This record gives sequence, C-alpha cells and structure tokens, in this order.
Amino acid sequence: QKEVEQNSGPLSVPEGAIASLNCTYSDRGSQSFFWYRQYSGKSPELIMSIYSNGDKEDGRFTAQLNKASQYVSLLIRDSQPSDSATYLCAVNFYILTGGGNKLTFGTGTQLKVEL
Amino acid sequence: DAGVIQSPRHEVTEMGQEVTLRCKPISGHDYLFWYRQTMMRGLELLIYFNNNVPIDDSGMPEDRFSAKMPNASFSTLKIQPSEPRDSAVYFCASSLVPRGPTDTQYFGPGTRLTVL
Repeated sequence: QKEVEQNSGPLSVPEGAIASLNCTYSDRGSQSFFWYRQYSGKSPELIMSIYSNGDKEDGRFTAQLNKASQYVSLLIRDSQPSDSATYLCAVNFYILTGGGNKLTFGTGTQLKVEL
Repeated sequence: DAGVIQSPRHEVTEMGQEVTLRCKPISGHDYLFWYRQTMMRGLELLIYFNNNVPIDDSGMPEDRFSAKMPNASFSTLKIQPSEPRDSAVYFCASSLVPRGPTDTQYFGPGTRLTVL
C-alpha cells in the first residue's frame, strides 16, 4: 500500500513569514513529487513539481526533496493571505508496463496566513 | 484552451437513483483520471484511462460504480444505485503522455454529489 502522509494542520503563520509544509511517503520507488494548492470549494491546481534530490525554486515557492529520507517539503516565503489554502502532496510511482501516471495524494495541510 | 470540463457541477439525488457524471478532457491529452474527494478520505483515485482504455480501476469502490471513455473527448462515471455514502466531490483530471516519470495532471472544477 503506497501512502503519503501530511500533517492536517491548520498551520498558522503571520503575513510575511515563511510557511513550511512537509510530506512523507512510503514507497521508495516513487519518482515524481508534486504540490497542489486547493482553495476551499475549488479544484486542486499544480504549483510545484520536483523529480531530483535537492531544492527547486519558483518565485516564492521552494520544493525540497530527500529520497533517502522519503520526504518532500514546500516552503512559501513572504506568505500572503492569498496563500491560505489546503496544500496537497502527491507522489507518483511510474508504472513501466502499459504506461502509467498514477498519483497518490496526501490528505492535505491547511495553511492559514494571518494579517 | 478550455481546460477540463465537468458536468453537472452540482447533483442532488435520492438514494437508489442512477447518477451519471460527465467529463471532457483537455484536447490532446491521452490520460483521463476520475477522483473522489471527501473530508474523511481525502482525494482518492477511482480509475484512469490511457487512450480511452481503462488501465487501473482498483480504486473503484464497488460494482455500483462504472466508468467509460467511448472516445478521446468524453468520459462518464456512473453510480447505480446511489447511496448516501457516495456523497462527495468527484473530480476529473487529464494529462499528456509522460516523456519521463510523469506529467502534470489538470483538474476539472468537480461535481458535488449529494445523495439523500
């Protein structure tokens, strides 16, 4: 059973601070890792993807991957009230036979950025 | 591009009735996914298709659930008969064929299903 674990939160941070979201996964064969943001009542939207160990930066967002420890994290710098949402971690184990693109999602961490 | 289109956006039905949810993937995308999201279980993959062929339906909860993809631009998820515990938001997503390990999945707006 492939699992993805996240702290459900809520994680509260003041405006302008760094928000740190964490995710662990059980399957060592996992190859691709994604962070989706989901506003209340809306659909998930991709904000970051990462495939290799280390850091990947995109604007105020940084994804960090450590395959040896089986964790992936998302840092949001200069947090804004508009960042308040649920952040879903998703992990892919590439299925070679027949092609595959299957994602397993965590239950999400709710982030609240306070004024 | 229009993005993934789902209909209806909201569905309220009574227990025992048949429910059909519809999805139009992004043009040119080869993969189509059906997910269900609840507070208790989060976002769960029900089934996915590659080039209209079902690849993995291990997430389909019961025989009451069925999904079809008759062509590249249309898919349905049917629940017959529906039960109150089927109440959830159902998302459809699509993606391209991955050149590497995977590719981005784009989600539709979802269908909020309430079974009374």
